[in-house]
Amino acid sequence: QVQLVQSGVEVKKYGASVKVSCKASGYTFSGYGISWVRQAPGQGLEWMGWISGNNDKTKYGQKFQGRVTMTSDTSTNTAYMELRSLRYDDTAMYYCARAWTTVDHWGQGTLVTVSS
Amino acid sequence: QSALTQPASVSGSPGQSISISCTGSSSDVGSYALVSWYQQDPGKAPRLIIYEGNKRPSGVSYRFSGSKSGETASLTITGLQAEDEADYYCCSYAGGNTWIFGGGTKLTVL
Repeated sequence: QVQLVQSGVEVKKYGASVKVSCKASGYTFSGYGISWVRQAPGQGLEWMGWISGNNDKTKYGQKFQGRVTMTSDTSTNTAYMELRSLRYDDTAMYYCARAWTTVDHWGQGTLVTVSS
Repeated sequence: QSALTQPASVSGSPGQSISISCTGSSSDVGSYALVSWYQQDPGKAPRLIIYEGNKRPSGVSYRFSGSKSGETASLTITGLQAEDEADYYCCSYAGGNTWIFGGGTKLTVL
């Protein structure tokens, strides 16, 4: 079955960077993209960007352009999302999800807390 | 790009039917038959319940259905049950490998 397993809780200082991983299994990794979606406490879902399954294309949401980099490693079926220059309002649960025409299977989420 | 517009909350009694609307624009909902809906329980990841406007993934109850008219998509839940109480989000493909989510709707089963 399709599974996406994300890395653990992160606590980062203001201005630092965070890199979250998402290991996929149960499907052909190169055949699907990965979208990253975040959810601030008590708030809705926010699409951050997408990377193709073979790591040759990315698309970032305007809000995150210049601060986010998405990569993937097809040898380990793992996608990564790095967010730089962290601000307090970046505190959120970050999800990876398989994406084709639909964002379907989701990881369990990685809580990122930005502190002083 | 602003989020798709959903009502903040809806409610219904057990056995009743409810609908949740999701209004976008000609750039997203109006252009693509690629609206999906998610159910999210507190502290959990979202779960896909409708994709491509009106298709149900395996294991999702027939009580959930989706439709679209113009720039507005809708999720209908029939025979409301206590276990349906959750947050619901719509999402539309917006072209160029981009997606946009709705603001979410809290469903209360009275």
